Amino acid sequence: ILNVEQSPQSLHVQEGDSTNFTCSFPSSNFYALHWYRWETAKSPEALFVMTLNGDEKKKGRISATLNTKEGYSYLYIKGSQPEDSATYLCAFNHGYGQNFVFGPGTRLSVLP
Amino acid sequence: DAGVTQSPTHLIKTRGQQVTLRCSPKSGHDTVSWYQQALGQGPQFIFQYYEEEERQRGNFPDRFSGHQFPNYSSELNVNALLLGDSALYLCASSLMGNEETQYFGPGTRLLVL
Repeated sequence: ILNVEQSPQSLHVQEGDSTNFTCSFPSSNFYALHWYRWETAKSPEALFVMTLNGDEKKKGRISATLNTKEGYSYLYIKGSQPEDSATYLCAFNHGYGQNFVFGPGTRLSVLP
Repeated sequence: DAGVTQSPTHLIKTRGQQVTLRCSPKSGHDTVSWYQQALGQGPQFIFQYYEEEERQRGNFPDRFSGHQFPNYSSELNVNALLLGDSALYLCASSLMGNEETQYFGPGTRLLVL
């Protein structure tokens, strides 16, 4: 059974703070790692697809890194804003056309 | 371009009943995956449909079944509902191949009483 973990479970930061959280996944049979942002009452929104060890991707104030050898990915948010408040999910994909295995998510609250 | 749509948005059923949830994929997508999300957990994979056939299945009982139509839309059916089936059911669509991102609908909230 593939296990994907995320930490912390929840996080409260002040507006303007930078923050980061972790996704841990099996280091064998890696194919891709996906990050999603899920705001309440909306659909999960795709942020990044990461496939290569050492990958670093950026979208505005959000960036992510990938280490497939040790099985982890970090998501960073620089200068958090209240609109960044959401649950951040990572999903591990272990092969071509294979299903996604999701972590439980990190719930971020950014206080104004 | 409409994204992934799901219907209904909310549903209340009683134990033992049957339910059908519907999903229309994003335009151009041919693959539909269904997930169950219970409170406090990440989405759990139920099954995936491609070319009108179930390609993969997660650890869910046979009470969970599905269908994909020629227009790529899909249904999830759950028979003999249990209280534990109460959850948010998410549909995701993608284009078969590589590490293609899955695009999610807003989900159907099912409550079983």
